[in-house]
Amino acid sequence: DAMVIQNPRYQVTQFGKPVTLSCSQTLNHNVMYWYQQKSSQAPKLLFHYYDKDFNNEADTPDNFQSRRPNTSFCFLDIRSPGLGDAAMYLCATSSGGRFVLSGANVLTFGAGSRLTVL
Amino acid sequence: AQSVTQLGSHVSVSEGALVLLRCNYSSSVPPYLFWYVQYPNQGLQLLLKYTSAATLVKGINGFEAEFKKSETSFHLTKPSAHMSDAAEYFCAVSNSGGSNYKLTFGKGTLLTVNP
Repeated sequence: DAMVIQNPRYQVTQFGKPVTLSCSQTLNHNVMYWYQQKSSQAPKLLFHYYDKDFNNEADTPDNFQSRRPNTSFCFLDIRSPGLGDAAMYLCATSSGGRFVLSGANVLTFGAGSRLTVL
Repeated sequence: AQSVTQLGSHVSVSEGALVLLRCNYSSSVPPYLFWYVQYPNQGLQLLLKYTSAATLVKGINGFEAEFKKSETSFHLTKPSAHMSDAAEYFCAVSNSGGSNYKLTFGKGTLLTVNP
């Protein structure tokens, strides 16, 4: 089945120790998103790629970076995790144009990577 | 700007009872509206979406939602709750204007189903 796979599902790191979360997709979707979801809060968009075009949200901290080496893979790098970065990180994909009815596009989510910071 | 308000962070129903999860939206242009469900330790799955066609939208697992422009609402209902419906439900809005094609989520409503 075509799907979105996130690894690892659970990641424990120490304060300040860099972490990389990965996302792969077999849907051949051109848009990939990273969301941060803290307990009892709405998923918050960190950034997204439209093909190789990187789009950062204005309030995403510089501590968060992303790479998309090809259509299938996308990585979230947290350079110096703090206690406040403990959360579920969700990768999602969608297809379609950015400016033509793209608001109607459905996102396909991975199962998430839960990050614990000690 | 667009936003979503979900009334009630936690709803508890008995098995077989009506499920009603409330969502109100704010959008300066006609919106696209979505309901996603999240089971424990899983990602979000699409339940249903409204994209300016029929105002009553049917989704998976017996859920449906009605778009009411005059009330700026998109409430989610299911006639008879099942134990397997226990999950967190997120309402979301987007539109085709400018940067608002991106989804904005509500804070979610946790649904508990009691036997």
